[in-house]
Amino acid sequence: KNQVEQSPQSLIILEGKNCTLQCNYTVSPFSNLRWYKQDTGRGPVSLTIMTFSENTKSNGRYTATLDADTKQSSLHITASQLSDSASYICVVSDLWGRRALTFGSGTRLQVQP
Amino acid sequence: NAGVTQTPKFQVLKTGQSMTLQCAQDMNHNSMYWYRQDPGMGLRLIYYSASEGTTDKGEVPNGYNVSRLNKREFSLRLESAAPSQTSVYFCASSEPGSQPQHFGDGTRLSIL
Repeated sequence: KNQVEQSPQSLIILEGKNCTLQCNYTVSPFSNLRWYKQDTGRGPVSLTIMTFSENTKSNGRYTATLDADTKQSSLHITASQLSDSASYICVVSDLWGRRALTFGSGTRLQVQP
Repeated sequence: NAGVTQTPKFQVLKTGQSMTLQCAQDMNHNSMYWYRQDPGMGLRLIYYSASEGTTDKGEVPNGYNVSRLNKREFSLRLESAAPSQTSVYFCASSEPGSQPQHFGDGTRLSIL
């Protein structure tokens, strides 16, 4: 069964600090991996999408990495801001299309002043 | 630029009542989706519609029906609500051949 595991479940950091969120998956055959940010009471918003051949992709202060060999991805947030407080969801797609998305349960990040 | 709009935002029902969740998108996307999000779990696909006039079951379709009214609108109906259907429901849309990229802000549904 395809699975996506995210760690940690929750994280508290001080404003201005960096942090890294982890995503391990067992989806096969792999197509792509997407990171979403979900603010409280809002829908998920796509941050990055990575295919098999991509190792790193950045979106402002967000940098995602992908190691397709070990089936691991990370999302690094640089110089965190209060507005980064949200849940971050890792979603992996296999080759069979849009029905076959596997969502992680998310990491809840809280940035404190 | 509204994107994906869901109504209502909140709803409380009694067991056995029926209701329809509405979703509309203004991005001219062919594909639309309904997900539910429960605490400690990832989003799970209920139904999706690849294009106007077509619908297909997702991972957790039992207890739900859908209607793709036109290209813009995709509704989700609970015929006889059960407490297990208490959840946050998200509608999403995507460009043809792509994955859901644009989500609405959800409908928070409580069934007593």
